[in-house]
Parts: sequence; structure tokens; C-alpha cells
Amino acid sequence: DTGVSQDPRHKITKRGQNVTFRCDPISEHNRLYWYRQTLGQGPEFLTYFQNEAQLEKSRLLSDRFSAERPKGSFSTLEIQRTEQGDSAMYLCASSLGLGNEQFFGPGTRLTVL
Amino acid sequence: AQSVTQPDIHITVSEGASLELRCNYSYGATPYLFWYVQSPGQGLQLLLKYFSGDTLVQGIKGFEAEFKRSQSSFNLRKPSVHWSDAAEYFCAVTFTSGTYKYIFGTGTRLKVLA
Repeated sequence: DTGVSQDPRHKITKRGQNVTFRCDPISEHNRLYWYRQTLGQGPEFLTYFQNEAQLEKSRLLSDRFSAERPKGSFSTLEIQRTEQGDSAMYLCASSLGLGNEQFFGPGTRLTVL
Repeated sequence: AQSVTQPDIHITVSEGASLELRCNYSYGATPYLFWYVQSPGQGLQLLLKYFSGDTLVQGIKGFEAEFKRSQSSFNLRKPSVHWSDAAEYFCAVTFTSGTYKYIFGTGTRLKVLA
């Protein structure tokens, strides 16, 4: 299977701890997106990479959040000093651009105690 | 601001009945339009998409959607629902230039009665 993969699938952490999630997009896709989905809501855009460049960040992405995509391949999303409000499903998606559909990974479910 | 509205939070239908899920968007031009399905523990799966051309779009699993520019709507339909269609359905739009980030509706949870 050459779809989008995310690791870990589940993460439970204590408030104040740092967490890092990884996303491996479909190999030839140059565009990578992170979304956050809370219970009962649709996914909300967090940030976007074209190759290795981070070109857009949502105002939802506070200073505690940072994302990288070194060498334009996999991406990481780090949350520092986690808060209970960070509990959500974090989804990664990739696409070829030019309006092409985004392919989503299974997500990482974060629970902050 | 651009937005997507799915007015029905929950819908319950009997197996074999027809289904229509509503989606309205607010955008200055015709966006690209998508319907995704999300089953528990699963990622989002694309059902169908509209970029341009024929306003009636066929998708997977027997779903179709019709784009109506005058109503800013992109409703999803299925003539006969199967128990396996029980899931959450999301309508999404994206701009026709720029980052192509998605704006999602809040979703409609479908329950299917045997």
C-alpha cells in the first residue's frame, strides 16, 4: 500500500509534555497538509507545505506548534507544552497540486490528560 | 469568509431507502467541491469530486452529487442505502488557486436501520 501513513496512530500524554507526529505522504506528491479534527467537527486546516517550503499557517497554529518537511519528503508536527485543548485527531494529507484531490492518512489521535 | 454548511448533523434512513445529504458553500467563485466519507477508526475516503463540466458527478459506492451554481449547493445522493454506508460524511471545498487547502463542513452522521 502506497497511501499516506501517519505515526503514531494514538498518543496519550500528560499536560505540559511535548509530542511529535510523523506523516509520510504518497511519494510523488509535492503538496502536504496538516488538519486538526475535534469531536463532532470537520477537519480544520493547520498548515501547508509545497515541497520543503511551509507556505501557509492557520491562525489555529499557535506558537506551541511547529511543523517541518525536510527535503520535501516526510513531515513532522510538534506540539510543545501540550494542553487539554490540544486533544484531537491530527490528519495529514498529500496531493499533486493543481487542484488535485488530497489523499488523507488515518490520523493520529492525541489525548492530553 | 468562505464556509461550508452541512445543515443535517444526523440522518437516519432504512436500508434500501434513498438518501440525500445537503451541502451549501459560501465562496466568491465556483470552487472545487468534494465529498468524503469517514468510518470509525478510518481515514477520510474520497467519494466524488467536481472541478468543472457536467454538474452531475458519479462517485464510488453508488454515490452521485449534483452541483447547482444558483443555489451554491453540492448535495450527495444515493438511490438505495446499504447498512455499510453508515458513517460520517463531509463536504469540502477548495479554492481554484493558491494552496488548495480544504474547508470542510461539520459533517453529517448517517445511521442505517436494518
